[in-house]
Amino acid sequence: DVKVTQSSRYLVKRTGEKVFLECVQDMDHENMFWYRQDPGLGLRLIYFSYDVKMKEKGDIPEGYSVSREKKERFSLILESASTNQTSMYLCASSSGQGRRPQHFGDGTRLSIL
Amino acid sequence: QQQVKQSPQSLIVQKGGISIINCAYENTAFDYFPWYQQFPGKGPALLIAIRPDVSEKKEGRFTISFNKSAKQFSLHIMDSQPGDSATYFCAARVPYNNNDMRFGAGTRLTVKP
Repeated sequence: DVKVTQSSRYLVKRTGEKVFLECVQDMDHENMFWYRQDPGLGLRLIYFSYDVKMKEKGDIPEGYSVSREKKERFSLILESASTNQTSMYLCASSSGQGRRPQHFGDGTRLSIL
Repeated sequence: QQQVKQSPQSLIVQKGGISIINCAYENTAFDYFPWYQQFPGKGPALLIAIRPDVSEKKEGRFTISFNKSAKQFSLHIMDSQPGDSATYFCAARVPYNNNDMRFGAGTRLTVKP
């Protein structure tokens, strides 16, 4: 069974901290995504990666960065966490061209205090 | 701003009834319209999708109706079951800009036994 695994289900951090969210997929997919899910706003793309070390900004990249050193792993970094980054974060992966997510992880609920 | 407007925000249906969720869009360039189903504590999963050259697609109890002239599409769940209780997201793909997906805000469906 295909799997996208996010390292933490719940995370509580303080403002100003550097926060790392990790995602691993076991499907050898080229594409990986980080989305943010907020009530009433649906899913918004933060960053997209189509290959190792390759990344593209999504709709809301401000305050975030990403790292993809290995094909199976995609990390989201909050450089200096702020309270408005409290949200549900979803990782996804897909094969082929384009930004169509196929498989999602179960999410990390991040609270910034 | 939301490029895909989804309604209603929440929906309560009796077991055996028909659940209908609607989405509207403005961008006539969208070329692929998927629906995602998300259970509590889980990531979204692709449920069913349609391309604009067909008016209807049916998979089991789930049907997408597509009205190109009205720029609307809807998800119908026939014989709704308590196990269908979930949040449903519509989405639309932009065929340029790396095939970005635009998501609706989501509809929380509750099917009462």
